[in-house]
Amino acid sequence: DVKVTQSSRYLVKRTGEKVFLECVQDMDHENMFWYRQDPGLGLRLIYFSYDVKMKEKGDIPEGYSVSREKKERFSLILESASTNQTSMYLCASRTPSGIYNEQFFGPGTRLTVL
Amino acid sequence: GDSVTQMEGPVTLSEEAFLTINCTYTATGYPSLFWYVQYPGEGLQLLLKATKADDKGSNKGFEATYRKETTSFHLEKGSVQVSDSAVYFCALLRGQNFVFGPGTRLSVLP
Repeated sequence: DVKVTQSSRYLVKRTGEKVFLECVQDMDHENMFWYRQDPGLGLRLIYFSYDVKMKEKGDIPEGYSVSREKKERFSLILESASTNQTSMYLCASRTPSGIYNEQFFGPGTRLTVL
Repeated sequence: GDSVTQMEGPVTLSEEAFLTINCTYTATGYPSLFWYVQYPGEGLQLLLKATKADDKGSNKGFEATYRKETTSFHLEKGSVQVSDSAVYFCALLRGQNFVFGPGTRLSVLP
């Protein structure tokens, strides 16, 4: 069974802390994505990566950075967490465009910044 | 830019009722369209998709037809079950990336 796993389901951090959210996929997918999910706003793309060591900004990259040192792992970094980054964070992966366009999601990390 | 609009929720129905969740999109050209579902405590999973005009996607009793004239992809199910309670997201594929709607929460009461 295909799988995208995220390091934590729930996380509580304090303002100003550096936060790492880890995502691992076991499907050998080239493309990986980080979204945040907020009520009424749906999913918004933060960063994505089409290959190892490659990264591209999504629609809301401010306050975030990413790292992709290995194909299966994509990390989201909050350099200095702020309360407006309290949200649900979803990682996803997929193969490049083709007939199999499905994107697979992890279960999410609910981050609270106090 | 490309965008997806969905009907506001939450939607509350009784078991065996008919379900429609409206979705319209704005995009250049004719993108592939998708419905994803998020059950409580889980990530999103693909429910159905359609890749060209007049295609009908279907899965688990749900259906949606790609209507380019009205730029719509409404989700329907003839008889909902309690287990269908979830958040439903309409989405389009823009190049390599998805654009998601805001989601519609469905609650089905026994």
